[in-house]
Amino acid sequence: QKEVEQNSGPLSVPEGAIASLNCTYSDRGSQSFFWYRQYSGKSPELIMFIYSNGDKEDGRFTAQLNKASQYVSLLIRDSQPSDSATYLCAVSRAGNNRKLIWGLGTSLAVNP
Amino acid sequence: KAGVTQTPRYLIKTRGQQVTLSCSPISGHRSVSWYQQTPGQGLQFLFEYFSETQRNKGNFPGRFSGRQFSNSRSEMNVSTLELGDSALYLCASANTGELFFGEGSRLTVL
Repeated sequence: QKEVEQNSGPLSVPEGAIASLNCTYSDRGSQSFFWYRQYSGKSPELIMFIYSNGDKEDGRFTAQLNKASQYVSLLIRDSQPSDSATYLCAVSRAGNNRKLIWGLGTSLAVNP
Repeated sequence: KAGVTQTPRYLIKTRGQQVTLSCSPISGHRSVSWYQQTPGQGLQFLFEYFSETQRNKGNFPGRFSGRQFSNSRSEMNVSTLELGDSALYLCASANTGELFFGEGSRLTVL
């Protein structure tokens, strides 16, 4: 079992819909949770991070964390074709934000 | 502000050779981390350097090594290359917060 698991997809949603991306992790000592976006042939870029249980919103993006269930998700509202990319979930233990453990990513396709 | 610069972008080596990859972080960033990305394993942490000291290390064999210079530039070296070392090697720099990734060095081992 990988430490961080994501559905590989592809997840296909129509333009304007909500895309829901999920991630589970196995290390209960994980304290920091990150969502990165990676376009094909490009490097990852940070979308959001979340440390506390609950929801965190930033524009069209909402991250949700449930430490009891060891589950973190990313919602993308009003999905755009430009959101088509691979979304990577990463976690780290307390005080160790550079040593990220990554999922394999979920491929998202937003269809016009 | 210039981003993270990695060189070379592409390189081809044969088994048994060694390779050195270079990373210039964003100006002012003192932390440099290295990751290996492959389709099967995804992104895997190699090591992190901060102020010329290795602060964290992943689970890679000793063939993988790195260093950081006083100007925060970092190099990683892989000796005795194996076919399985073919990957995209990503460098990320950080100040106090998020990681900023370079475009990577794509290594092919034949």
